Amino acid sequence: DAKTTQPPSMDCAEGRAANLPCNHSTISGNEYVYWYRQIHSQGPQYIIHGLKNNETNEMASLIITEDRKSSTLILPHATLRDTAVYYCIVRVAQEAAGNKLTFGGGTRVLVKP
Amino acid sequence: NAGVTQTPKFQVLKTGQSMTLQCAQDMNHNSMYWYRQDPGMGLRLIYYSASEGTTDKGEVPNGYNVSRLNKREFSLRLESAAPSQTSVYFCASSARGIIYEQYFGPGTRLTVT
Repeated sequence: DAKTTQPPSMDCAEGRAANLPCNHSTISGNEYVYWYRQIHSQGPQYIIHGLKNNETNEMASLIITEDRKSSTLILPHATLRDTAVYYCIVRVAQEAAGNKLTFGGGTRVLVKP
Repeated sequence: NAGVTQTPKFQVLKTGQSMTLQCAQDMNHNSMYWYRQDPGMGLRLIYYSASEGTTDKGEVPNGYNVSRLNKREFSLRLESAAPSQTSVYFCASSARGIIYEQYFGPGTRLTVT
């Protein structure tokens, strides 16, 4: 699976959009981009995933660049409950590979009032 | 629908003692996983079970054994605990396939003295 690079931390203001970048310059054509988050002391929570098109769900939007070498997770209206560590994960889309996830260091997001 | 449950929530062991961490899911998922998370680090995969009756090593399997007891339950055993195994252990499950998200339990906090 491709390696990802994320900033170690970022702050954002409550009510504003939070834009979390992720670099995955070695991504290959059959690899998906996943985002999970981990609120303090809890198990990680799935947010969203995508292959090459932009995706949106009730939690967030995922913007993937045309060359797929980077992506941005957007939390449209950050709340204090969005304070968490956010993990960008790239994994191959083959059932034989299982659904194994490789977590890096993530981005620690602090939403401030 | 409880999702993924883990027992115990907390455990303190002395070096050399053994114990089994229990995990159960009620979502009829085929695949189950065990991760560990050391302070300030991302999660690392210990073992996984793609389907009932199969188990495979992950990134850090040494010192651990697993049993996929049935479709619902996946246990992790430490035969001779060491201080290096002090960590938070998370169990997860997912439907089998290439893009299904993982659902995580609340974790077991293990201290080995």
